[in-house]
Amino acid sequence: GENVEQHPSTLSVQEGDSAVIKCTYSDSASNYFPWYKQELGKGPQLIIDIRSNVGEKKDQRIAVTLNKTAKHFSLHITETQPEDSAVYFCAPQRPAGGTSYGKLTFGQGTILTVHP
Amino acid sequence: DSGVTQTPKHLITATGQRVTLRCSPRSGDLSVYWYQQSLDQGLQFLIQYYNGEERAKGNILERFSAQQFPDLHSELNLSSLELGDSALYFCASSVSPQGGDTQYFGPGTRLTVL
Repeated sequence: GENVEQHPSTLSVQEGDSAVIKCTYSDSASNYFPWYKQELGKGPQLIIDIRSNVGEKKDQRIAVTLNKTAKHFSLHITETQPEDSAVYFCAPQRPAGGTSYGKLTFGQGTILTVHP
Repeated sequence: DSGVTQTPKHLITATGQRVTLRCSPRSGDLSVYWYQQSLDQGLQFLIQYYNGEERAKGNILERFSAQQFPDLHSELNLSSLELGDSALYFCASSVSPQGGDTQYFGPGTRLTVL
């Protein structure tokens, strides 16, 4: 099955700094790469995703970059704010169809703390 | 708000008991997924249903079962509960039956087994 690793497991930054979280995966068939944010007491929520036909995608302060050759993708948050504090998960996914269907294999999560 | 609802929010029960968790997917979504989140195992996929039929199974114990009803809501049944079953249980929904699309998660049910 898919082996997914996230680094770092915890990240502490000052407000206004940038944060980068890296996700490494093993399944070369993966072609959909979402990042989820989970706040305390809530379910994971999609914040940005990318498909394997593009290398980078940006949405305001959040960006995702993909290196399919090296099998990793990264979440970049610029100008961090205290409300960015949460647990972030990557969940690379195979294409539609096949035996894996919609199963998401999550990384172990990164606890991001943004200090005011 | 993702549009996915789960009830109850909290559930406290004793070992050996049986509980049912309920999920209503987003309007228009036909796929429902169940995940378990515990401190030592992280987020683990349990099972997927599409339009009433089971589509994929993950690390789901034999003591657990699920179903999806004609109105597309889903229930996860947990029986012969053990202390180790204490966890957050999330439901997610999506449009596609075959994966590769965005999953939207509900707020979860926190199960505590005493």
